[in-house]
Amino acid sequence: EVQLLESGGGLVQPGESLRLSCAASGFTFLNNAMGWVRQAPGMGLEWVSVVTGSGKTAYYADSVKGRFTISRDNSRNTLYLHMNSLRAEDTAIYYCARDLNSGNPACLDSWGQGTLVAVSS
Amino acid sequence: QSALTQPASVSGSPGHSITISCTGTSGDVGNYNLVSWYQQRPGKAPKLIIYQVTKRPSGVSNRFSGSKSGNTASLTISGLQAEDEADYYCCSYASSATPYVFGTGTKVTVL
Repeated sequence: EVQLLESGGGLVQPGESLRLSCAASGFTFLNNAMGWVRQAPGMGLEWVSVVTGSGKTAYYADSVKGRFTISRDNSRNTLYLHMNSLRAEDTAIYYCARDLNSGNPACLDSWGQGTLVAVSS
Repeated sequence: QSALTQPASVSGSPGHSITISCTGTSGDVGNYNLVSWYQQRPGKAPKLIIYQVTKRPSGVSNRFSGSKSGNTASLTISGLQAEDEADYYCCSYASSATPYVFGTGTKVTVL
């Protein structure tokens, strides 16, 4: 059974940094691209970032480009999201999700339960 | 990349069928057979129910079906049940740099 467990969320002030982690199990981690999707309170889903199975290629939504960095450690089956210069509008539940493919992400088929990031002074 | 357009809400009676539309552009929905649909119950993570326009993951009820025509994809739920009350989101591939464009979401109510 695929399991994705996010951690690292919390309350931070604007301008601060945070690192989210996602521990994966139940599948061969390096065979799948992995992504982050967020959902602001009462709002819809917004794709944030994705990294290919090898970790060599990453893509970002315009809203986080230059501030967030996605990475993965295939030896630890763990996905990360490093978030810098956080803004109030980054407040959301952040979901870790697995893509069906390794090199050409196109569909997220398994999701974690999410971790809440709140940015407020 | 703009969000795909979905109706805010759709409702139906138990046992009936409903259809949710998802309108994109020739750059996303219209150009790729890579539309997926997610069901999200309150307080829960999204769950994949349709991928590649028409395919159902193992374990998903065959009451859920997907289709596409031009720039619009659709999700049909037949034999509506109380447990189908949830938010539904479509998602389309747009490019390698924008692999996921989500829809605005539709709240389904079972009357």
